[in-house]
Amino acid sequence: DAKTTQPPSMDCAEGRAANLPCNHSTISGNEYVYWYRQIHSQGPQYIIHGLKNNETNEMASLIITEDRKSSTLILPHATLRDTAVYYCIVGNNDMRFGAGTRLTVKP
Amino acid sequence: GAVVSQHPSRVICKSGTSVKIECRSLDFQATTMFWYRQFPKQSLMLMATSNEGSKATYEQGVEKDKFLINHASLTLSTLTVTSAHPEDSSFYICSAGKTSGGRNEQFFGPGTRLTVL
Repeated sequence: DAKTTQPPSMDCAEGRAANLPCNHSTISGNEYVYWYRQIHSQGPQYIIHGLKNNETNEMASLIITEDRKSSTLILPHATLRDTAVYYCIVGNNDMRFGAGTRLTVKP
Repeated sequence: GAVVSQHPSRVICKSGTSVKIECRSLDFQATTMFWYRQFPKQSLMLMATSNEGSKATYEQGVEKDKFLINHASLTLSTLTVTSAHPEDSSFYICSAGKTSGGRNEQFFGPGTRLTVL
């Protein structure tokens, strides 16, 4: 069962912010929100995770709504190398991947 | 830190042969390792979860006798595809888990591309 819903694809102009949404309306109280991305023919790369509070690291920011039913991953200044499939996952013990969002960063 | 390697990165084999894929956590001990399979243009599908020293737990629809998993140590898990057939051609990815601050973290390997002729 898919626990998350993401748009199948998005485009973003190089240098602009990329905002990737994710719905996880059935998230449980102890489940974290994780974001990974996968560049073609590579293993998934960890981006960021959060439980309740917004989080920021060197790669991205994660905004989680107060009811925790949705979140947004923000890449503040997208580059061509950020073109990838982005996966939003909720859980705590294992990572079950949905279809993800294919982000294409265009020059 | 938290590097996971896989070997081989690419393998081509004949139909009917068996192929072993290794997954190693290089700088941490992983009590749990996970195996995924990914077909072209599809998402990763969890195949099985293995804990060190115990039998793997397979997802529904994954044949345990075909996909043998051994998790002999805290840094090594192996997946053996037995009697491989062309339909087993896929990208196989492992991940290793560790607990940090009460939260489970998973680190993924670079994947192994299997082609069965």
